[in-house]
Amino acid sequence: DTGVSQDPRHKITKRGQNVTFRCDPISEHNRLYWYRQTLGQGPEFLTYFQNEAQLEKSRLLSDRFSAERPKGSFSTLEIQRTEQGDSAMYLCASSSRTRQETQYFGPGTRLLVL
Amino acid sequence: RKEVEQDPGPFNVPEGATVAFNCTYSNSASQSFFWYRQDCRKEPKLLMSVYSSGNEDGRFTAQLNRASQYISLLIRDSKLSDSATYLCVVNPRDDKIIFGKGTRLHILP
Repeated sequence: DTGVSQDPRHKITKRGQNVTFRCDPISEHNRLYWYRQTLGQGPEFLTYFQNEAQLEKSRLLSDRFSAERPKGSFSTLEIQRTEQGDSAMYLCASSSRTRQETQYFGPGTRLLVL
Repeated sequence: RKEVEQDPGPFNVPEGATVAFNCTYSNSASQSFFWYRQDCRKEPKLLMSVYSSGNEDGRFTAQLNRASQYISLLIRDSKLSDSATYLCVVNPRDDKIIFGKGTRLHILP
């Protein structure tokens, strides 16, 4: 399968713990995006990378959130000191150099903070 | 005005019927428009792009009205498998896309 993959698919954690999610984009895609989606809402943009450079961060991305894409391939999203309000589906998407506006999504990581 | 607005529904439609829903956007400079489909607890998947002249893909027709700043999706001869949430997506600039909250569609047997 050469689609976008995310790991883990589900994560349950206690409030105050740190969590890290991984996203592997489609191999030739240079752009990688992170979104958050809660029940009844569309995906909300968090941040995106072009190769290894993080080009934009949403105001939704508080200082407890950090994302990296060190080699321009996979990316990690870390949430420190999790809060119950962080419970959501975290979606990763990637797009190619030639069709930047068409994004392909991974299956998401569903986070539950107790 | 929100950047992208959709009627959340749900639209409950008998199998075989035609259903249409609209999406409005606020940024008149938006370049690209899409419809994504999202099944329950799954990731969004691209359904179709929306072109200025309108476009059709089988039972699905998408239209763009730049003057009134809305896009539409028409589904003909609806199937049970069409039940999903349909997300309107607008690309206001090259590096960003905005999702609507989605319209829920239930096709009834």
